[in-house]
Amino acid sequence: GQQVMQIPQYQHVQEGEDFTTYCNSSTTLSNIQWYKQRPGGHPVFLIQLVKSGEVKKQKRLTFQFGEAKKNSSLHITATQTTDVGTYFCAVTPFSGGYNKLIFGAGTRLAVHP
Amino acid sequence: IAGITQAPTSQILAAGRRMTLRCTQDMRHNAMYWYRQDLGLGLRLIHYSNTAGTTGKGEVPDGYSVSRANTDDFPLTLASAVPSQTSVYFCASSARGSGGPTDTQYFGPGTRLTVL
Repeated sequence: GQQVMQIPQYQHVQEGEDFTTYCNSSTTLSNIQWYKQRPGGHPVFLIQLVKSGEVKKQKRLTFQFGEAKKNSSLHITATQTTDVGTYFCAVTPFSGGYNKLIFGAGTRLAVHP
Repeated sequence: IAGITQAPTSQILAAGRRMTLRCTQDMRHNAMYWYRQDLGLGLRLIHYSNTAGTTGKGEVPDGYSVSRANTDDFPLTLASAVPSQTSVYFCASSARGSGGPTDTQYFGPGTRLTVL
């Protein structure tokens, strides 16, 4: 079945450093979503990417969808302690149901002041 | 507006017991979902419902059942709990049931279940 690999599993940065997490699929994706889960909380939707090569920005967060629609990245510039949490990508394969998301294992981000 | 509520918040359960996790949404969303979250494995879909009256199996449906009698409620039942079902369970909903671009999913606060 569809699998999505997310790396790294864990990243520890000093406040002010940049952070990037990657999501990779072996098959072409219909679209990709990114969610953030704070410690002890629930996943919260951040963004959806649909088009090949798409780049979207939300303040210090930059999201990219690969040209082949098989990978994506989330980059945070100048991390802050409020960025702490686990970032998940979630994919919809072309062969799957539109709303049957498959989540990556997540990247846990720790930010030290 | 509460969004999605789940009950109980946490539960410790003896193996072999029956347990129903409750989920209610007030957003009039068509689709609802149940996920389990285990360390290192992310969120895995257990069951889903694209609209009231219909349900479907996700990645890990064994040992779980669901029903969708109305739009708002989507209970998850463990007929005979086993220790491997110890997990955090999240209910989610999305506006459209099927067709078109993938919906944003809105998650409830979760239920932490321990089966001993």
